[in-house]
Amino acid sequence: DGGITQSPKYLFRKEGQNVTLSCEQNLNHDAMYWYRQDPGQGLRLIYYSQIVNDFQKGDIAEGYSVSREKKESFPLTVTSAQKNPTAFYLCASSWSLEVVTGELFFGEGSRLTVL
Amino acid sequence: AQSVAQPEDQVNVAEGNPLTVKCTYSVSGNPYLFWYVQYPNRGLQFLLKYITGDNLVKGSYGFEAEFNKSQTSFHLKKPSALVSDSALYFCAVRDRRTDKLIFGTGTRLQVFP
Repeated sequence: DGGITQSPKYLFRKEGQNVTLSCEQNLNHDAMYWYRQDPGQGLRLIYYSQIVNDFQKGDIAEGYSVSREKKESFPLTVTSAQKNPTAFYLCASSWSLEVVTGELFFGEGSRLTVL
Repeated sequence: AQSVAQPEDQVNVAEGNPLTVKCTYSVSGNPYLFWYVQYPNRGLQFLLKYITGDNLVKGSYGFEAEFNKSQTSFHLKKPSALVSDSALYFCAVRDRRTDKLIFGTGTRLQVFP
């Protein structure tokens, strides 16, 4: 089945540690995104990428980093510089960055808790 | 600034009754509007979108939404609610500057048997 796979589903981290969240898609989509979801705040865009080896900062990129070495993979690293990293992280993909051309497909999310 | 608002944190409705989840927007020019649904601990799923054309848009799972330009609204509706419709619903609008989606804060729909 085609889709987006995020791992791990749950992750616990001590303060000061970097963690990397995995996102893999087999939909052959060009564009990929990372969102952060906090209760009562909706979704906020962290990073997005249209093609391999290219990515752009979203609205809340500080304390995060990404890479896009393969079309199907877009891992997110939450660094120790992120002041409030506890959140639900969602990866998404679409055929292109142009919103009008189609909807976003989301993974099932990764819940990160900093202890 | 472009934005989208969902004025209700939660909507409660009895099974079989019609449901409405409200969304208003503020954008310059013609809006591109979307509804997504999120079930517990899952990602979002696309329901429907309005780009242009008929003001009544039909989507997945029997949902529809009505675009009202004069009221700058895009309310989600369903004629007869199911318990399985209970979820978190997000309205979104395209940011014309970045061509990215701006999501609302979400409305939790609770359908009681």
